Amino acid sequence: AQSVAQPEDQVNVAEGNPLTVKCTYSVSGNPYLFWYVQYPNRGLQFLLKYITGDNLVKGSYGFEAEFNKSQTSFHLKKPSALVSDSALYFCAVRDSTGGFKTIFGAGTRLFVKA
Amino acid sequence: ETGVTQSPTHLIKTRGQQVTLRCSSQSGHNTVSWYQQALGQGPQFIFQYYREEENGRGNFPPRFSGLQFPNYSSELNVNALELDDSALYLCASSLFLQGEETQYFGPGTRLLVL
Repeated sequence: AQSVAQPEDQVNVAEGNPLTVKCTYSVSGNPYLFWYVQYPNRGLQFLLKYITGDNLVKGSYGFEAEFNKSQTSFHLKKPSALVSDSALYFCAVRDSTGGFKTIFGAGTRLFVKA
Repeated sequence: ETGVTQSPTHLIKTRGQQVTLRCSSQSGHNTVSWYQQALGQGPQFIFQYYREEENGRGNFPPRFSGLQFPNYSSELNVNALELDDSALYLCASSLFLQGEETQYFGPGTRLLVL
């Protein structure tokens, strides 16, 4: 069965410092992996996705994510955090073996301090 | 903005009532998915419609049903409302390819069941 784990409920980082939001997954086939961000009273906004190819994926707003097949991880990163990055981040996975169902993690709240 | 709209933004119902939530997808998107996001949790997949037919369902009872229309709009219907149905309901539209497509989310409808 598909599953996604985001081991940290909250990540705190100072503005200007690098940030990492962790995600691990489990699927039976090859994974399609996604990161979304949710601001208060808003829907989810797409940041980036990994389908195949280069393990380092670049996305919106300076975010990137690294796919690691051996560790079944897809951590979200940004070299220099902004206060405006403070939000709720969700990792999601879909199974490439014909699956239509997207499984989301429980979310990680990122707090960037000025 | 994602080009996906939902109505109403907020709704209050009482236990046992029925509710219809609406979503307008991006033009040209042939797939819509509905998610339930309870407070403090990630979105849970309810079902997906492709070309006006349900083509996948999560672990939700039959009292959750949907419709997709040719004009890129869709509905989520919930009968016999229960207190636990209180949540943010999100729709996401996409152009179905082979599972790797990006979903674009609406802002959600917040349902409160009393």
